[in-house]
Amino acid sequence: GESVGLHLPTLSVQEGDNSIINCAYSNSASDYFIWYKQESGKGPQFIIDIRSNMDKRQGQRVTVLLNKTVKHLSLQIAATQPGDSAVYFCAEGGGSQGNLIFGKGTKLSVKP
Amino acid sequence: EAGVAQSPRYKIIEKRQSVAFWCNPISGHATLYWYQQILGQGPKLLIQFQNNGVVDDSQLPKDRFSAERLKGVDSTLKIQPAKLEDSAVYLCASSAGSQGRTEAFFGQGTRLTVV
Repeated sequence: GESVGLHLPTLSVQEGDNSIINCAYSNSASDYFIWYKQESGKGPQFIIDIRSNMDKRQGQRVTVLLNKTVKHLSLQIAATQPGDSAVYFCAEGGGSQGNLIFGKGTKLSVKP
Repeated sequence: EAGVAQSPRYKIIEKRQSVAFWCNPISGHATLYWYQQILGQGPKLLIQFQNNGVVDDSQLPKDRFSAERLKGVDSTLKIQPAKLEDSAVYLCASSAGSQGRTEAFFGQGTRLTVV
């Protein structure tokens, strides 16, 4: 069946360091991937997306890498700040159902 | 641009009671999603609308949950009767595109507690 999972449930980093959050997906038909950030008491907030015809996409301080061979997605955050502390979800879209499915999430904690 | 609006923000009900949530998507967005997010988990898709038609409701517990999208704009999600395990945050999202291939914008969610 379709599933999206994360390798690490929690990640603790020092302020100023780079963070890498990983995600595995199992539906090879998915062709759209998104990273969301969710702070306590709020809805998920879009960070960056990537389509399956790309391997890498950069935003402001964030980079998403897609490896279709091993069905792996990662989010890199440069110079992590305390405001980056949140739960991060990857989601896959398209596929046979044409829906948007979320993974379990990784909690990022930034130590000052 | 106004975001996705949801109401109420919080709701506490007793088991076996009924409850309804309302969502107003971003103007012009054709796709509307309802997700259930249990504490500590990722959002689980309950139902997806394309305009006023259902695209995917495979994860919706249809014996107690129902949803409709009036005239392809606002949507309501109803639970009747509620169970303790329905305690969760119910998130509504909308997107301009279709087939889960464009960014979905989320509302603040409705936190439901069933006691």
